Amino acid sequence: NAGVMQNPRHLVRRRGQEARLRCSPMKGHSHVYWYRQLPEEGLKFMVYLQKENIIDESGMPKERFSAEFPKEGPSILRIQQVVRGDSAAYFCASSRTGMNTEAFFGQGTRLTVV
Amino acid sequence: GESVGLHLPTLSVQEGDNSIINCAYSNSASDYFIWYKQESGKGPQFIIDIRSNMDKRQGQRVTVLLNKTVKHLSLQIAATQPGDSAVYFCAENSAGNMLTFGGGTRLMVKP
Repeated sequence: NAGVMQNPRHLVRRRGQEARLRCSPMKGHSHVYWYRQLPEEGLKFMVYLQKENIIDESGMPKERFSAEFPKEGPSILRIQQVVRGDSAAYFCASSRTGMNTEAFFGQGTRLTVV
Repeated sequence: GESVGLHLPTLSVQEGDNSIINCAYSNSASDYFIWYKQESGKGPQFIIDIRSNMDKRQGQRVTVLLNKTVKHLSLQIAATQPGDSAVYFCAENSAGNMLTFGGGTRLMVKP
């Protein structure tokens, strides 16, 4: 039973480019969460999605960031026109029935903006 | 002992000793708590969870204690091993849609 799969593991983008981060939840999980982590800090919530729905995006920056979880395929976190401050580790978690049950994280995508 | 450095607080323990990592939470409405372990370059790994209707839960070599009166959570690791070296985060669920993470504690195990 594969865990939460994220790709790519490392992503380098020049300022102004777009970054696409993908997350496939664990089998049987329909709840997906994206978190961002800066070095030596905790994880900050960004967005919570279920299939084809954004449930809570209160942690998402208002501009340049978007997320989706289509009916088929992985969840995508998209960052347009990246800036150096977007450099961070982005983690995806999934759970079966919501955040009041066990949530499992992927290995993350480390985005570096040069 | 425990010290606060420029970044994450660090707890250094001798191999074989017991470790206690503490966490204070702020929201009295939080009803579900999880401890995660994060090794360098990896994602958070689920260790143990506890609901607010309990004050203690035990796993394999780990125990979580919850004191709702003072909003305090602790993780106890018995017979600490070098493989336990990592950053440990507590997380709370109160709003239903998200886990809110604490700042983390780095555990260093000396052989």
